[in-house]
Amino acid sequence: EAGVAQSPRYKIIEKRQSVAFWCNPISGHATLYWYQQILGQGPKLLIQFQNNGVVDDSQLPKDRFSAERLKGVDSTLKIQPAKLEDSAVYLCASSLSLSGELFFGEGSRLTVL
Amino acid sequence: AQSVTQPDIHITVSEGASLELRCNYSYGATPYLFWYVQSPGQGLQLLLKYFSGDTLVQGIKGFEAEFKRSQSSFNLRKPSVHWSDAAEYFCAVGPPRDYKLSFGAGTTVTVRA
Repeated sequence: EAGVAQSPRYKIIEKRQSVAFWCNPISGHATLYWYQQILGQGPKLLIQFQNNGVVDDSQLPKDRFSAERLKGVDSTLKIQPAKLEDSAVYLCASSLSLSGELFFGEGSRLTVL
Repeated sequence: AQSVTQPDIHITVSEGASLELRCNYSYGATPYLFWYVQSPGQGLQLLLKYFSGDTLVQGIKGFEAEFKRSQSSFNLRKPSVHWSDAAEYFCAVGPPRDYKLSFGAGTTVTVRA
């Protein structure tokens, strides 16, 4: 069974530029999460989707971050404009349901210069 | 609010020796508790979880963890460490029936020959 796919794996941008990350969850998984993992810290939840609806985006910095899951499958996380402090690994995870075990992708590492 | 503290940032252990990683949590009731492992460049993999019942839980790769309500702890143990156990370990807590997890900052384990 294919796991959670994320791309790109690595991205380097200048501050104030924009960037987008893509996530393809495990087939059939209704719930999708985006986590931000800053170096030396544990992952922090940014947003949680159930199918194509947002369940929780209370920790998403909405002035610069946006995320969508239009057809309830793939998801895109966008940062515009990026700041230095956005340098992190962005992890996508999926689960069968809101109460199901999370399966994580390998992450997308962002460096903002 | 839920939170997790992992007091040890880095632990070095000899191959074949025992390992114990500490985790303390803050939560109003009995939470769901988890241990994840992250190898370099990889996503997080679930080692084990505690929901209820027997306070000693067994996981994959020979790991076990013990839930101690009186101490608000969920420490991870392995009797004999292998070189492949070198990785970063994260403790996480979530509300019952919800995988909206809060992670600790992680403990990096180095295994010396």
